Amino acid sequence: DAKTTQPPSMDCAEGRAANLPCNHSTISGNEYVYWYRQIHSQGPQYIIHGLKNNETNEMASLIITEDRKSSTLILPHATLRDTAVYYCIVRPGGSSNTGKLIFGQGTTLQVKP
Amino acid sequence: DAGVTQSPTHLIKTRGQHVTLRCSPISGHKSVSWYQQVLGQGPQFIFQYYEKEERGRGNFPDRFSARQFPNYSSELNVNALLLGDSALYLCASSLGTSDYNEQFFGPGTRLTVL
Repeated sequence: DAKTTQPPSMDCAEGRAANLPCNHSTISGNEYVYWYRQIHSQGPQYIIHGLKNNETNEMASLIITEDRKSSTLILPHATLRDTAVYYCIVRPGGSSNTGKLIFGQGTTLQVKP
Repeated sequence: DAGVTQSPTHLIKTRGQHVTLRCSPISGHKSVSWYQQVLGQGPQFIFQYYEKEERGRGNFPDRFSARQFPNYSSELNVNALLLGDSALYLCASSLGTSDYNEQFFGPGTRLTVL
């Protein structure tokens, strides 16, 4: 399973864009990049996922480099409620569809007033 | 629509006891996964069930077992509890098991072993 590397913590000013990086240099061709976040004492919440192309939804944008070895999650206008641990996950693909999500340590994003 | 529900929310047990945790998936979802989250760590995969069959198992001892019922709800059982089993136990449901079935997590059950 591909491994991801994220910075342990980041700060962001309220109203500014939060850019959370993730390295996944061993990703294989059929593996997706998923982002989840976990607000204190709650279950993880799905944010977005992508394979090759950049993706955008109502919560965030996902930018994946052309070689797919890294990605960036962008929260365009961070609010205090976006303070959470953000997990970048590479989902096992192909015939090993067990649904297993491999969580690392994640990035603790602190949005400050 | 109701999300994933888990019961109980909190539980206190002593070493050597056993515990049963319950999960009800989102209506229409046929897959349930269980995760253990120790304080300060990311969730660790324990099991996945789909259509009542085990589809995946993480690196956990045989003291951990699970099953899925015809209505797609699920139970996680842990026998001979150890102090190290103290954790937040998360259940996630999805439509199926493919790569593009996003998983929806419940609020978790906080288990404390004394």
